[in-house]
Amino acid sequence: GAGVSQSPSNKVTEKGKDVELRCDPISGHTALYWYRQSLGQGLEFLIYFQGNSAPDKSGLPSDRFSAERTGGSVSTLTIQRTQQEDSAVYLCASSGTSGVYNEQFFGPGTRLTVL
Amino acid sequence: AQKITQTQPGMFVQEKEAVTLDCTYDTSDPSYGLFWYKQPSSGEMIFLIYQGSYDQQNATEGRYSLNFQKARKSANLVISASQLGDSAMYFCAMREGGYSGGGADGLTFGKGTHLIIQP
Repeated sequence: GAGVSQSPSNKVTEKGKDVELRCDPISGHTALYWYRQSLGQGLEFLIYFQGNSAPDKSGLPSDRFSAERTGGSVSTLTIQRTQQEDSAVYLCASSGTSGVYNEQFFGPGTRLTVL
Repeated sequence: AQKITQTQPGMFVQEKEAVTLDCTYDTSDPSYGLFWYKQPSSGEMIFLIYQGSYDQQNATEGRYSLNFQKARKSANLVISASQLGDSAMYFCAMREGGYSGGGADGLTFGKGTHLIIQP
């Protein structure tokens, strides 16, 4: 079956522009996660969705970041007024409800470069 | 304080030798889960092994095993008979709460260890 997919795979944008990153989870997975991976900060957890709701948004780095999930499937991470420090690889993961440890399956990531 | 500490930024190991990658963690929650992921140069994150805080035995998955020392709060990954394809970044991660970390919260990752297997 298909794994987690993300688009675009690469995005280059100018400082101040808005960007949208998309994640398509594994079919049937109810939980969806966004992480950011950068050289300076390592892997940071940003936000997760259980169904369409995000119980805790405190991991988002600033109010320029927002995320939504519709129909319990596709999620979009939006960064407004991008800054150079937003440059990173944004990883999405999903998990189902079977298995006690709810293993997270990761997508290939979107590499964001802010010039 | 860091929740996950990986003290080895990089390691060089000869092919076919066993490798131990260190991971210590910090939590006051009695229920948590520990995970190891592999990230090759291609960038994908590959799940390797899981250890729950209530598990009585060390986890094993093929050539991977986890040396879980709860009192010392360590969860070292052991790779037996290393192969060239094992060269990658390895991340230790933790999820608190749920049953043995089985909730839906996000993972907290360590900084990773870059493992290079030499022929």
